[in-house]
Amino acid sequence: AQSVTQLGSHVSVSEGALVLLRCNYSSSVPPYLFWYVQYPNQGLQLLLKYTSAATLVKGINGFEAEFKKSETSFHLTKPSAHMSDAAEYFCAVSHFGNEKLTFGTGTRLTIIP
Amino acid sequence: GAGVSQSPSNKVTEKGKDVELRCDPISGHTALYWYRQRLGQGLEFLIYFQGNSAPDKSGLPSDRFSAERTGESVSTLTIQRTQQEDSAVYLCASSSGGLVAEAFFGQGTRLTVV
Repeated sequence: AQSVTQLGSHVSVSEGALVLLRCNYSSSVPPYLFWYVQYPNQGLQLLLKYTSAATLVKGINGFEAEFKKSETSFHLTKPSAHMSDAAEYFCAVSHFGNEKLTFGTGTRLTIIP
Repeated sequence: GAGVSQSPSNKVTEKGKDVELRCDPISGHTALYWYRQRLGQGLEFLIYFQGNSAPDKSGLPSDRFSAERTGESVSTLTIQRTQQEDSAVYLCASSSGGLVAEAFFGQGTRLTVV
């Protein structure tokens, strides 16, 4: 069984401030982990993924995430928020041999000018 | 096509009616997924196709739900005798080779059962 918990359904940060979106997973086997972003009126877009290579993963638009096995976490960060980062972010988990992505409930990020 | 296309974008139906939702994946993508997103919830996996076969349909919530894929292309999700709890956004995604390859999502079909 696998699951994802995203802490904070809504997060607000000031423009230029650090973005930190939290994701904790549960998986009985080594996981694959993903972050997706959904901009208003658009489909989900892959930001980055972890598939058992480097634990620090860099994605598009300056985002990165670090896989921490001891903490079962895969938090998403960006050093400096931009107005265009306002969107909903979803963390998801799967594993080798399983084509089913299990998603968290999402975090809506608001950027304060 | 340039991306995953879903139709209709919005559908309002009366309780008890049948509905068909369509997904046109990116050309050449062998894997296709259906998800459901109910208000305030995460995405629920419904079914996965590899080619025209469905090795994992464990997420279909009841026998009122069915899906097919033909020609390793278009997929149709059918909901029979719709209920109000079926109201959700239904999302389709496709990828070139399973999950490690990037999955591209369509914009979804918003289904409202009244």
